Amino acid sequence: TQLLEQSPQFLSIQEGENLTVYCNSSSVFSSLQWYRQEPGEGPVLLVTVVTGGEVKKLKRLTFQFGDARKDSSLHITAAQPGDTGLYLCAGRVSENTPLVFGKGTRLSVIA
Amino acid sequence: SQTIHQWPATLVQPVGSPLSLECTVEGTSNPNLYWYRQAAGRGLQLLFYSVGIGQISSEVPQNLSASRPQDRQFILSSKKLLLSDSGFYLCAWSSLAGFADTQYFGPGTRLTVL
Repeated sequence: TQLLEQSPQFLSIQEGENLTVYCNSSSVFSSLQWYRQEPGEGPVLLVTVVTGGEVKKLKRLTFQFGDARKDSSLHITAAQPGDTGLYLCAGRVSENTPLVFGKGTRLSVIA
Repeated sequence: SQTIHQWPATLVQPVGSPLSLECTVEGTSNPNLYWYRQAAGRGLQLLFYSVGIGQISSEVPQNLSASRPQDRQFILSSKKLLLSDSGFYLCAWSSLAGFADTQYFGPGTRLTVL
């Protein structure tokens, strides 16, 4: 059973378009993180959200943590080819438990 | 600044052969260390984590083992590889056990078992 479900699994869009990817769970998380991974490399942290309803912006990326702390979304405005990669969400149920990763959304932005 | 190293970068091994992957961290003390495997379409699977020298927690049953002989060294091993052991192996470290700690990943090792 996958604790964190990410959707869509694959997404291919044109440069300049907007997109939203989702991370959902039936469990409550004390914190949730988003990572981006490029082919042949390790994931790199984009953001951490810890408060229900929290919204964080990182340039053209907007991250939201659900009010109930069970879900999160990542919205990209005016996507660019450099946004291409695998976007992973990861959550921690409590302080003493390891991070749990979703399977990721593979994004391809075509110029 | 902190850096994390993994080697080798790529490995092709026959079924039944042994395995040793090494991970070292520089620039920090007492890190939490992690081994993940990433198979195609299956996301990151946590294999082992360690909060100190000689302290290893295993998350999934398997024919792999991990050891931490030094504070900043983490080794993943197998006595006999299986085809299903193929994948991308990632080592990571974090500095806190708290709920908002960041995990910093190494460059990974691509293992192909034939």
